[in-house]
Amino acid sequence: DTAVSQTPKYLVTQMGNDKSIKCEQNLGHDTMYWYKQDSKKFLKIMFSYNNKELIINETVPNRFSPKSPDKAHLNLHINSLELGDSAVYFCASSPFGGTQYFGPGTRLTVL
Amino acid sequence: AQSVSQHNHHVILSEAASLELGCNYSYGGTVNLFWYVQYPGQHLQLLLKYFSGDPLVKGIKGFEAEFIKSKFSFNLRKPSVQWSDTAEYFCAVNAASGSARQLTFGSGTQLTVLP
Repeated sequence: DTAVSQTPKYLVTQMGNDKSIKCEQNLGHDTMYWYKQDSKKFLKIMFSYNNKELIINETVPNRFSPKSPDKAHLNLHINSLELGDSAVYFCASSPFGGTQYFGPGTRLTVL
Repeated sequence: AQSVSQHNHHVILSEAASLELGCNYSYGGTVNLFWYVQYPGQHLQLLLKYFSGDPLVKGIKGFEAEFIKSKFSFNLRKPSVQWSDTAEYFCAVNAASGSARQLTFGSGTQLTVLP
């Protein structure tokens, strides 16, 4: 009965590779988000989708591309990975304007 | 755009001590306020939230927070901490209206409770 799930939990890859992180929520929420948590634990919004429509697109390199195939899923694809992309990526969902619930995070390590 | 500042980067307490973590925000409109906790190696969990009404809100695990509008503050309190409260605490805010409701987080406060 997991509410917000992410796969994979850990991702170790070489610089220059392309990788994807998947997120699914079974809460029936309209809005989903991607956040990045850096090594100092600072959390920053990257993207938000509402009913499959992109509503927030912060200053993020265009190597990062979100995709929402339906309301319950929001995936994050990263091209040409760089060392600085190493972080924990959290997916979250909420009713529109409501409280956000977070997934378990994906720890990405770029070597 | 809103911003959030948490005054204490690292707080160390003994069990049974009282806790207060500071949080101030900057935003010109009406806000929703949140405290999240992140236990070691885990995801963020909601401790409590304020949307409107009574400015003193109670959350899980004995935590409470008070919204003081005149001070733009939303400090987190607990009268007696336990070792299991050791975690990172994040204050967050979003605008109460508008199409984009992203959370803006403070930099977090690491709480260490000594047994």
